[in-house]
Amino acid sequence: QQQVKQSPQSLIVQKGGISIINCAYENTAFDYFPWYQQFPGKGPALLIAIRPDVSEKKEGRFTISFNKSAKQFSLHIMDSQPGDSATYFCAASNNRNYQLIWGAGTKLIIKP
Amino acid sequence: EADIYQTPRYLVIGTGKKITLECSQTMGHDKMYWYQQDPGMELHLIHYSYGVNSTEKGDLSSESTVSRIRTEHFPLTLESARPSHTSQYLCASSTGSGNTIYFGEGSWLTVV
Repeated sequence: QQQVKQSPQSLIVQKGGISIINCAYENTAFDYFPWYQQFPGKGPALLIAIRPDVSEKKEGRFTISFNKSAKQFSLHIMDSQPGDSATYFCAASNNRNYQLIWGAGTKLIIKP
Repeated sequence: EADIYQTPRYLVIGTGKKITLECSQTMGHDKMYWYQQDPGMELHLIHYSYGVNSTEKGDLSSESTVSRIRTEHFPLTLESARPSHTSQYLCASSTGSGNTIYFGEGSWLTVV
C-alpha cells in the first residue's frame, strides 16, 4: 500500500524526442506527487509536483499527467535535450505525515 | 538553491573506525533526513527528525545513529565502520508544513 512503482528503470531517447516516465501508487491517501531530478554526484532536486485536484501540470518542457482513477502519474519531457540526462525519481506523500515514498528511479539518457 | 551543507564530501576510512558525517541547513527547517543511496540506485530513508531532540529510524535498518541538538544541525555517526557501509549518504531538510525536500550534495563514504 505504501509503494510507488516506477518504470522504466532506464530510458534512452534521441535528442528532440519525448521522454516518458511512469509511476503507479496504491495508497489513496496520497495527495502530493513530486518528481525529482538527480545529476551524477549531486543530491536530487525538485523538478515539478502535482496535487490530485488537477490532471496536468506543465512547467516549460516538463509536464506531469495525473490519472486519479488509475492511480498513476507520469512525467513527460518534451524536446528532450542531452542536458536532461539524469536519474528521475517520482514520489508520493500525504498531508498527515508528509513522509515521501519514493519510486526506484529512472536513468534517462538523451542521445545527441 | 537550497542551503544545506554536508561534510566531508568524500571520505575513505579503515574498517572499525568511528566517523561522523556532518549536515547543516540555514533555512530554519524543522524536518531533517538522512538517506542512503548507492550510485544511481534507490533512495533509502535511514533516519529522520521532526525537530530538536526528536529522532526516528527510517525504512532501511542502519547501524548509524543521529542526534538533533540544534535545529540547523543533524550529524550522522557510525561507531565502527565496515565495508558494507560504503555508500553515498544524503542529508535533506523540509519545512514543517511543506512537502518539498531539499537535499545536500551528499557524502561519499568508502570503508576499506
